[in-house]
Amino acid sequence: ILNVEQSPQSLHVQEGDSTNFTCSFPSSNFYALHWYRWETAKSPEALFVMTLNGDEKKKGRISATLNTKEGYSYLYIKGSQPEDSATYLCARNTGNQFYFGTGTSLTVIP
Amino acid sequence: NAGVTQTPKFQVLKTGQSMTLQCAQDMNHEYMSWYRQDPGMGLRLIHYSVGAGITDQGEVPNGYNVSRSTTEDFPLRLLSAAPSQTSVYFCASSPLTGTGVYGYTFGSGTRLTVV
Repeated sequence: ILNVEQSPQSLHVQEGDSTNFTCSFPSSNFYALHWYRWETAKSPEALFVMTLNGDEKKKGRISATLNTKEGYSYLYIKGSQPEDSATYLCARNTGNQFYFGTGTSLTVIP
Repeated sequence: NAGVTQTPKFQVLKTGQSMTLQCAQDMNHEYMSWYRQDPGMGLRLIHYSVGAGITDQGEVPNGYNVSRSTTEDFPLRLLSAAPSQTSVYFCASSPLTGTGVYGYTFGSGTRLTVV
């Protein structure tokens, strides 16, 4: 098992604050890094997939970066809104296998 | 396009009972998998399949069986339910490209309680 670690485990921010969290993973045998958004009582939904060192992806107020050499990815949320409250999962793909982190639980306080 | 369909959504079992969780996808995905999600543990892989007739064990396979007779269906069987199998179960599928660039499509989950 190739460990994927996410930090922090949970986060509370005020509406309007910007925030970021980290996904760390082994840099060997790397194919892709996926981010998922997982709302309570729903199933995870894909946010981003990144494959190349230096990749940056953006969707609205959410963006992500990838550093495959040092084995980390950052997820940024600009101007957090209550609807951003969810668990954000990252997963490392080694070709055909996904290895998930335990997620960062974000609560945005109105 | 239904995506990944899991049934049932909720189930209560008595210790020792057996049951099958159903998973079907209509996207012609070769790769299908079952995860369980427990508080503080994240998603843990139970079994997976890279195509019809091929299955393999994941991280936590004990107490579960799977089969893949068709591309569309990937049922998960609990042979003799135990309270430790109380969890939320997710089925997920993905195209099999070997590139890692396609993410999972998840089912809506099955909340199982074993009493």
